[in-house]
Amino acid sequence: DGGITQSPKYLFRKEGQNVTLSCEQNLNHDAMYWYRQDPGQGLRLIYYSQIVNDFQKGDIAEGYSVSREKKESFPLTVTSAQKNPTAFYLCASSPRPSGEYNEQFFGPGTRLTVL
Amino acid sequence: GDSVTQMEGPVTLSEEAFLTINCTYTATGYPSLFWYVQYPGEGLQLLLKATKADDKGSNKGFEATYRKETTSFHLEKGSVQVSDSAVYFCALQGGSEKLVFGKGTKLTVNP
Repeated sequence: DGGITQSPKYLFRKEGQNVTLSCEQNLNHDAMYWYRQDPGQGLRLIYYSQIVNDFQKGDIAEGYSVSREKKESFPLTVTSAQKNPTAFYLCASSPRPSGEYNEQFFGPGTRLTVL
Repeated sequence: GDSVTQMEGPVTLSEEAFLTINCTYTATGYPSLFWYVQYPGEGLQLLLKATKADDKGSNKGFEATYRKETTSFHLEKGSVQVSDSAVYFCALQGGSEKLVFGKGTKLTVNP
């Protein structure tokens, strides 16, 4: 089955530790995205990548880092610099990087809790 | 910049009631508009879309019409079911490749 997988579904970390969230897609999509979801705030864009080895900051990139070494993978690292990392993180991908309407396909999400 | 405003929830309805969730937008140019749905504990799924003025998107009994004159894209369903309970997000894509989302509206349908 084609789709987007995120692992793990639930993640617990101690304050001050870096943590990496996995996102893999087998849809052959060029573009990939990371969003953060908090109650009552909708989705906010953290980082996005239109092509391998290239990525751009979204609206709330501070305290996060990403890499895009392979087309199918876009891991997100939540660093200790992120002030309030507890949230639900969603990864998405899209077949068209720009210039056309952008239907994004979402993974099931990872709920990160920092203790 | 581009923005989306949707009605605040939560919305609670009885089964078979009529549903409207309002969505208005601010954007330069002619954005594409979307409704996404998120069931508990899951990611978002595209529910319907419209890419130009007067287009009507529809899926699973839900409809929304792209109204340029009122900059709106209200979601409607004639008869909701318990299984429609979810959070609904209105979104737009303007000049860039990024999606801009509203804050979401939680719908609960009681039997």
